[in-house]
Amino acid sequence: SYMLTQPLSVSVAPGNTARITCDGNNIGMKSVHWYQQKPGQAPVLVVYDDSDRPSGIPERFSGSNSGNTATLTISRVEAGDEADYYCHVWDSSSDHRLVFGGGTKVIVL
Amino acid sequence: QLQVQESGPGLVKPPETLSLTCTVSGVSITSRGHFWGWFRQPPGRGLEWIGSIYYGETSYYNPPLKSRVTISVDTSKNEFSLQLRSVTAADTAVYYCARQGGGSGWYLSHPIASWGQGILVTVSS
Repeated sequence: SYMLTQPLSVSVAPGNTARITCDGNNIGMKSVHWYQQKPGQAPVLVVYDDSDRPSGIPERFSGSNSGNTATLTISRVEAGDEADYYCHVWDSSSDHRLVFGGGTKVIVL
Repeated sequence: QLQVQESGPGLVKPPETLSLTCTVSGVSITSRGHFWGWFRQPPGRGLEWIGSIYYGETSYYNPPLKSRVTISVDTSKNEFSLQLRSVTAADTAVYYCARQGGGSGWYLSHPIASWGQGILVTVSS
C-alpha cells in the first residue's frame, strides 16, 4: 500500500523559514494537500493541489511537489505557526485509498 | 456557509457497534461534486481515513477497516452516518466528519476543505 513519510519534528526560530517534507513513491504525479492542526482543534487546510492556498491562508504558506518529495514551506515563521502538519494524497492504485503522512510537529524556538 | 457536526455516544463497550452521525447545514448533502467522509485520530497519533461516500451512492473504505465499516446517507435529514462494528480499545479516537472539495480532478482526490469539530469516542467496558 502507498505510504507517505514525514519527519517527526522541525524546529525553527521566529522569522526564519520552515520546510516540511512528505516523501512518497512518485508523489510528484499526485495532488498533495497539507493541513495544520493545533492541539485540541480540527485540522485546517493550508495548501491544496500541491501549491494552491485556500482563501484566508497567509501567503507565507506555500507548497511544491516533484519527484518523490512534496514540500510545505512556511516563510517568516510566527509563534502561532507551531502545530502539527499533515500531508495527504489520494492513491488511485489500490482501492482508491486516502493516505496521510504521519505528521510533523513544527516547533518555534 | 457549510457546517458539519458530529454527534453520538462518547463511550462504547467492546465488542459493540460504534454509531456516529454527521449533520450537514448550509448545503444539500446530495449536491454533486463532493465526497463526504469520516476520519479518526487516536490520542496522540496521526490522522486516519475511515471511508467516504458520494451522492449517497458510491462509497469507498480504508481496506484495513472495510470489513467492519458502513457509511450511509439520510437525504431527508441532510446527514450521513458511520457504523463501526466489533470495536476494541484500538478504536478509541477523535472521530471527524468532513467534506472534500475545491480541488482538481476526480472528487475523491480533492482536499478535505470542511471539517467538523470532532467527537472523542472511548471504547471501554
